[in-house]
Amino acid sequence: QSALTQPPSVSGAPGQWVTLSCTGSSSNIGAGFDVHWYQQLPGTAPKLLMSGNHYRPSGVPDRFSGSKSGTSAYLAIDGLQSEDEAHYFCQSYDTGLSGPVFGGGTELTVL
Amino acid sequence: QMQLVQSGAEVKKTGSSVKVSCKASGYTFTYRYLHWVRQAPGQALEWMGWITPFNGNTNYAQKFQDRVTITRDRSMSTAYMELSSLRSEDTAMYYCASAGHSGSYDIWGQGTMVTVSS
Repeated sequence: QSALTQPPSVSGAPGQWVTLSCTGSSSNIGAGFDVHWYQQLPGTAPKLLMSGNHYRPSGVPDRFSGSKSGTSAYLAIDGLQSEDEAHYFCQSYDTGLSGPVFGGGTELTVL
Repeated sequence: QMQLVQSGAEVKKTGSSVKVSCKASGYTFTYRYLHWVRQAPGQALEWMGWITPFNGNTNYAQKFQDRVTITRDRSMSTAYMELSSLRSEDTAMYYCASAGHSGSYDIWGQGTMVTVSS
């Protein structure tokens, strides 16, 4: 049971807009800790997609955007493309666990 | 460019230990926290602990507190993660990852697959 909850799967058609959610609690996201997002393609290491809630590292397309509100964070993808098909993980810090925590991950399928 | 290169895959017996290495290049090793994260097949990422390469201070997840040891060799810009008393549930891909100031992992090793069997 992860401290951060993500829907197991989300799907969308090419060109569509989709949102992935990451729900935490008062001991992590709600406590003000930043949320980071990672994209993991099959058989590869995770790649940083969004840092500090809404900052895109160099090279990440501006189709990706991040936000945070209360105890939840969101990753939006505008103009879905086939290469976006991957697993997406959110990450924050938890005071109860005294360390970083990850969400269970969302598998994004492009129909 | 900044990168982390890990040691190769390991196959271990139940009850034994494994030590995985992670060599940093392209940045000053002592400037950034170095974390270990594992991922069981088809499962989520799980934080194990970190080390401050500058002074060797460590912080471990409570779940692994009794079984994991993270060390570093500053002269080699290399960090190590040793996990003892291995059980089948420890079969996973083990990653090292370097955290920037924001706390996000912007550099990842390629992963080391550890398989535990009896």
